[in-house]
Amino acid sequence: DSGVTQTPKHLITATGQRVTLRCSPRSGDLSVYWYQQSLDQGLQFLIQYYNGEERAKGNILERFSAQQFPDLHSELNLSSLELGDSALYFCASSVRGSPADTQYFGPGTRLTVL
Amino acid sequence: GQNIDQPTEMTATEGAIVQINCTYQTSGFNGLFWYQQHAGEAPTFLSYNVLDGLEEKGRFSSFLSRSKGYSYLLLKELQMKDSASYLCASWGGGSYIPTFGRGTSLIVHP
Repeated sequence: DSGVTQTPKHLITATGQRVTLRCSPRSGDLSVYWYQQSLDQGLQFLIQYYNGEERAKGNILERFSAQQFPDLHSELNLSSLELGDSALYFCASSVRGSPADTQYFGPGTRLTVL
Repeated sequence: GQNIDQPTEMTATEGAIVQINCTYQTSGFNGLFWYQQHAGEAPTFLSYNVLDGLEEKGRFSSFLSRSKGYSYLLLKELQMKDSASYLCASWGGGSYIPTFGRGTSLIVHP
């Protein structure tokens, strides 16, 4: 158990819908990362937050948005869902969000878009 | 930009040693990670190298050569539970964006 929690574990929805994925970092970690993992793309970095502020942005679509709240939990919002958005979405946390810090991954949310 | 290459699949025998290679092209290199990921589970941290050389941690060791853009993960005394995907990831300089390789699926057979 990494100490990072993600809800829900599974999510099944239809194209065009909007969903929210939630992540709580390990106690004491200030930085949160979001990743998407699909069979054909591998693990793709989406976005990183540090202490409530966006720090880095990767290959995140405009239909996706995220935020980190004052209590440090984070939410990833996916809208206008497409079939290709079906994937495992991981959240990870680290102490300061610097390259030298170990990232601890949550168990993931498996999103299925039908 | 960043690019990471690692073999797609490797097989090995229980009790043996296996070396998983990773090459990267990263501007302003800031470190290289190895993660283990069992099917359907979250990646778990194995090692971090930022300086050249070998880092040993029990049955697992990781090596880095920055001049060659090369790293390897060495697994000794293989066990069946080591069957998993091994992800190589690098950080580019001047950014906080990690890039992951597609992963090497290691199959350990009796």
